[in-house]
Amino acid sequence: AQTVTQSQPEMSVQEAETVTLSCTYDTSESNYYLFWYKQPPSRQMILVIRQEAYKQQNATENRFSVNFQKAAKSFSLKISDSQLGDTAMYFCAFMNRDDKIIFGKGTRLHILP
Amino acid sequence: EAGVTQSPTHLIKTRGQQATLRCSPISGHTSVYWYQQALGLGLQFLLWYDEGEERNRGNFPPRFSGRQFPNYSSELNVNALELEDSALYLCASSFLYPVSGANVLTFGAGSRLTVL
Repeated sequence: AQTVTQSQPEMSVQEAETVTLSCTYDTSESNYYLFWYKQPPSRQMILVIRQEAYKQQNATENRFSVNFQKAAKSFSLKISDSQLGDTAMYFCAFMNRDDKIIFGKGTRLHILP
Repeated sequence: EAGVTQSPTHLIKTRGQQATLRCSPISGHTSVYWYQQALGLGLQFLLWYDEGEERNRGNFPPRFSGRQFPNYSSELNVNALELEDSALYLCASSFLYPVSGANVLTFGAGSRLTVL
């Protein structure tokens, strides 16, 4: 069965710093999708970034980028120039071919002023 | 465009009772997913419906059930409530066959169920 592991339950960084959230997953499939979702204190989950496993190029969305290492089954999220509004719970997610999306337990990120 | 809406926002029940949670997907989305978010456990996949049919089910007992209506809205029912059912229940919707190839979920704000 596929699993998603986020080894950092909680992190704190100063505003404007760069922070990296780690995620590893386990699967025997070769084609899949990976996502990072953000859940701010208001609870609404929103998509941050996504990566197709067949694409070697790392996805980037403004200040958010990923380091996708397929062989190592690693999918980390880098947030550059962090802002107070980035404070949230971040979930790494994996989608297999039957479209069930599996989430990790999350990393609570605090951006400090 | 309205997002995914869930009701009620909060629900308080006692052990043994039944709870019903509702979800309206984004217009045009045919798939509805239910997740349980309990403290410290992340999001646990509960159910996935599309076109009125159950497509997949997570590792939850049968007292967790649901359905999807012809207008694609969905209902999650939890029977014989137990204390550990207290959690935030999130609904998400998507297209079944998205153009982009990645099934991006749009989430609702959730329904907080408290079992006393």
